[in-house]
Amino acid sequence: NAGVTQTPKFRILKIGQSMTLQCAQDMNHNYMYWYRQDPGMGLKLIYYSVGAGITDKGEVPNGYNVSRSTTEDFPLRLELAAPSQTSVYFCASSSEDRYYGYTFGSGTRLTVV
Amino acid sequence: GQSLEQPSEVTAVEGAIVQINCTYQTSGFYGLSWYQQHDGGAPTFLSYNALDGLEETGRFSSFLSRSDSYGYLLLQELQMKDSASYFCAVRDRASGAGSYQLTFGKGTKLSVIP
Repeated sequence: NAGVTQTPKFRILKIGQSMTLQCAQDMNHNYMYWYRQDPGMGLKLIYYSVGAGITDKGEVPNGYNVSRSTTEDFPLRLELAAPSQTSVYFCASSSEDRYYGYTFGSGTRLTVV
Repeated sequence: GQSLEQPSEVTAVEGAIVQINCTYQTSGFYGLSWYQQHDGGAPTFLSYNALDGLEETGRFSSFLSRSDSYGYLLLQELQMKDSASYFCAVRDRASGAGSYQLTFGKGTKLSVIP
């Protein structure tokens, strides 16, 4: 049982480049989330999804896009990378009846230079 | 909007007991969760309180007082491996009745010393 799988684990981008962070879960969870974590700042919600085809913005969505074509996958797209997007990105999922107990992926450490 | 306050750092001795507090302000409230995160790792779920009182899971306990907008995580018989950051998180009505995203505090870094 893999849980939540994120790829890549590390990435360095140049300013203006784009990339997609991959996230997949095998627990049949309807709810999926993308958070970013900056040092000493906790986790901030970027986007979330309550099921295939349904996504919505979180607290800090600017500069990002998501899609949810299947229950399993929830990729995060960064367009025109900026230094302010240097962060650790976590994908998470939860079930409806245990919504408070997220399962997190291992994270993607992104540096924009 | 929501806001959560927890101490930024706590130091405790191996074998002792430590309490990490969390106060919150929300426009509505469903429950308080706690997560543990080791350096370089992913957050992992520890506990959840929807009702007032104490929930115990092994060496860890979590308490909630809805009237005081306050909760805490209690760690007993501290071990070196408990050195980590601990986050409280809330879901409230500001998130939307049909959504399940949590708002996290900034975290408390616990250092356990010999």
